Amino acid sequence: GAGVSQSPRYKVTKRGQDVTLRCDPISSHATLYWYQQALGQGPEFLTYFNYEAQPDKSGLPSDRFSAERPEGSISTLTIQRTEQRDSAMYRCASSRGTSGRAGTDTQYFGPGTRLTVL
Amino acid sequence: AQTVTQSQPEMSVQEAETVTLSCTYDTSESDYYLFWYKQPPSRQMILVIRQEAYKQQNATENRFSVNFQKAAKSFSLKISDSQLGDAAMYFCAYQLTGANSKLTFGKGITLSVRP
Repeated sequence: GAGVSQSPRYKVTKRGQDVTLRCDPISSHATLYWYQQALGQGPEFLTYFNYEAQPDKSGLPSDRFSAERPEGSISTLTIQRTEQRDSAMYRCASSRGTSGRAGTDTQYFGPGTRLTVL
Repeated sequence: AQTVTQSQPEMSVQEAETVTLSCTYDTSESDYYLFWYKQPPSRQMILVIRQEAYKQQNATENRFSVNFQKAAKSFSLKISDSQLGDAAMYFCAYQLTGANSKLTFGKGITLSVRP
């Protein structure tokens, strides 16, 4: 697609429910990142994919968080048994993922999903 | 671990004037990239400018320029001829060189522009 898209844009859920957020990266982009942004803070890294491989998930705050990208394109982030502290903006970004200097791999961000846990 | 610090939570500038946003970072690496991202009220994340650490020349994009001081680990953003549309939250970010490298962001600074 022309840009990174995310759905839903807004999600309100009750504590204890599971939620799944979706990210559709720029077509042909090999690398996809997930970030969590609390209100008034900068985004914080959660995990990333290189095609369908997930080399780094060190930023996932707990085992309630999981992500997948089974066909190397669309990715989902699932939060099980949501808690109020999970309320945040969840951002997806993609980059070409070419080898070499990271600066050539500018990350393009989607509009984010604002999650509110009541 | 790398850290990015933006110590000014808010700044204000008169329209058409110049403003400088500060950022410092800490890293033991020598090869990395630095970025400024803009987050307007729509909460999109828009890349404003990037700087490659191995380049001594400061990056410039139209009204936006940076002052990169590698030894001091300082990376400030100068906005010239400020416009109302520049009002936003600005984030400084660091990225280690190499494929598939995550961004580390500062806490951001809210810039308001007075008409």
